[in-house]
Amino acid sequence: AQSVTQLGSHVSVSEGALVLLRCNYSSSVPPYLFWYVQYPNQGLQLLLKYTSAATLVKGINGFEAEFKKSETSFHLTKPSAHMSDAAEYFCAVQRGATNKLIFGTGTLLAVQP
Amino acid sequence: SQTIHQWPATLVQPVGSPLSLECTVEGTSNPNLYWYRQAAGRGLQLLFYSVGIGQISSEVPQNLSASRPQDRQFILSSKKLLLSDSGFYLCAWSHRGGNGQPQHFGDGTRLSIL
Repeated sequence: AQSVTQLGSHVSVSEGALVLLRCNYSSSVPPYLFWYVQYPNQGLQLLLKYTSAATLVKGINGFEAEFKKSETSFHLTKPSAHMSDAAEYFCAVQRGATNKLIFGTGTLLAVQP
Repeated sequence: SQTIHQWPATLVQPVGSPLSLECTVEGTSNPNLYWYRQAAGRGLQLLFYSVGIGQISSEVPQNLSASRPQDRQFILSSKKLLLSDSGFYLCAWSHRGGNGQPQHFGDGTRLSIL
């Protein structure tokens, strides 16, 4: 069965510091992986997706993620955090032809001034 | 471009009352549609999905039901709400096919049961 694990339910960084949000997946087939961001009282917004075209995926708002098959990881990074990056981030793996998503439990990112 | 609309944005209902939440998608045809619930401090739970008009699959047993009367309309209902139905409800759509099509989410409905 496919699943994702997000390590760290809360991450705090200083403004301008590196952001690293961890996601590990479990899948018996090559996975499709996604990162979403959720701001308070809003829906989820797609940050980026991995669909096997390239292992380093660039997304919106300066975020990127690297697919590492050997580590079964798809960590999300941003070189320099901005106050506006404070939000909850969800990693997800896609399952089946119906495009159902299996979500991780989310990581709440706080950015300190 | 495609857009997804959910309403209402917030709703306060007494226990035992009925519920109807509506979601519509514009700018695409034959989408897959999804209903999620996000309880406080918890992740997203897929409640229902639909691959076509009148085709509803339930992911978890619960007090809720879903219907798809038109291609781009998805409705979440309940005959009698429970306290445990409180949460943030999200509708989403995707193109068909299992080739990495992402889901796109609405702005959600905050449901509080009193």
